[in-house]
Amino acid sequence: GAVVSQHPSRVICKSGTSVKIECRSLDFQATTMFWYRQFPKQSLMLMATSNEGSKATYEQGVEKDKFLINHASLTLSTLTVTSAHPEDSSFYICSARGWDSGANVLTFGAGSRLTVL
Amino acid sequence: TQLLEQSPQFLSIQEGENLTVYCNSSSVFSSLQWYRQEPGEGPVLLVTVVTGGEVKKLKRLTFQFGDARKDSSLHITAAQPGDTGLYLCAGPIYNFNKFYFGSGTKLNVKP
Repeated sequence: GAVVSQHPSRVICKSGTSVKIECRSLDFQATTMFWYRQFPKQSLMLMATSNEGSKATYEQGVEKDKFLINHASLTLSTLTVTSAHPEDSSFYICSARGWDSGANVLTFGAGSRLTVL
Repeated sequence: TQLLEQSPQFLSIQEGENLTVYCNSSSVFSSLQWYRQEPGEGPVLLVTVVTGGEVKKLKRLTFQFGDARKDSSLHITAAQPGDTGLYLCAGPIYNFNKFYFGSGTKLNVKP
């Protein structure tokens, strides 16, 4: 089945630095990838839709200058948290759109736990 | 406002009990998916339901899609500690350009 690899799984950084998270589709091409943020004990919140070869589409309230998304190839999307602050600490999960039982579904990466000190 | 409302939010039961989780919306979905997520990991797809009224079984898990394709349910028979996790329903909207998730149901099955 479809596999999405996300790296790093955990990252700790100092306040003011930038962190890049990579999301790769390993055995299929993903023209669209989605980035979610998840707070403890809560559901997933869609941050943005990453489109290969074009600009990402951000959800309302998500700062595009803070969360830079690049989807330069059909198998790689990156999320860069710029000038990170403690409030950016969270669990970030990427996913790619796939196909199951005749319907569009999502295949998820394992997530990246970001801690900003 | 959540596009997909799940209930209950939390459920703590003893091993061997049965349970049902509900996913409701005022919108019609072309399909709905159920995922299970364990702490520190990404969600894993359990099932996809596509046809109104459809019922799918996955071992002790039974999934149903409402006739009007606005709601779905997940029933677990004889729950086991390994069923513990966060259960999420999700569906695509806007010509499959977005997937929205339900509020989630945190299930804890005690041995």
